Amino acid sequence: AQTVTQSQPEMSVQEAETVTLSCTYDTSESDYYLFWYKQPPSRQMILVIRQEAYKQQNATENRFSVNFQKAAKSFSLKISDSQLGDAAMYFCAYRSAETSGSRLTFGEGTQLTVNP
Amino acid sequence: ETGVTQSPTHLIKTRGQQVTLRCSSQSGHNTVSWYQQALGQGPQFIFQYYREEENGRGNFPPRFSGLQFPNYSSELNVNALELDDSALYLCASSITGVYGYTFGSGTRLTVV
Repeated sequence: AQTVTQSQPEMSVQEAETVTLSCTYDTSESDYYLFWYKQPPSRQMILVIRQEAYKQQNATENRFSVNFQKAAKSFSLKISDSQLGDAAMYFCAYRSAETSGSRLTFGEGTQLTVNP
Repeated sequence: ETGVTQSPTHLIKTRGQQVTLRCSSQSGHNTVSWYQQALGQGPQFIFQYYREEENGRGNFPPRFSGLQFPNYSSELNVNALELDDSALYLCASSITGVYGYTFGSGTRLTVV
């Protein structure tokens, strides 16, 4: 079974600065997808960024980028120029590309605070 | 394009009762998944439905059951409620074979 670990329960950053959230995962599969989701107080999970394991290039979405290290099974999220609206719970998630179904396995989350 | 709608938003039930939670999938999505998110934790996969059949299940007992309807809407039923069932229940819809998911805002269930 796959597991996802987020070792930082809480992080804080000053507005306009950069913060990196860590995520490691364990899997025996070679083909999979990784995601970062944001969950604000509204409770809805919002996709921030996704990465296909077969792609060497790290995904980037505007101020959000990842550092995907497949051999180390590490998938960190970097938020540049942090904004107050980035404050939320962030979840790292894994989805197999080798088995049927589309279940997501989530980590425990990192609560991000953005200080003005 | 409509998103995923869940109802009700909040619910309080007594231990031993039964509850039904509802989810309307995003237009064009044929797969629906349900997750349980206890306070301060990450969501846990309950099960998934595709073409009205369950095609994946997490580590949840049989008293958690579901339905998917021809219009791709879905229900989650929980029988014999326990205090530990108190959680946020999230519904996510997707298109099989495509890895994008759309989540609803969840139903907050409190069992007393």
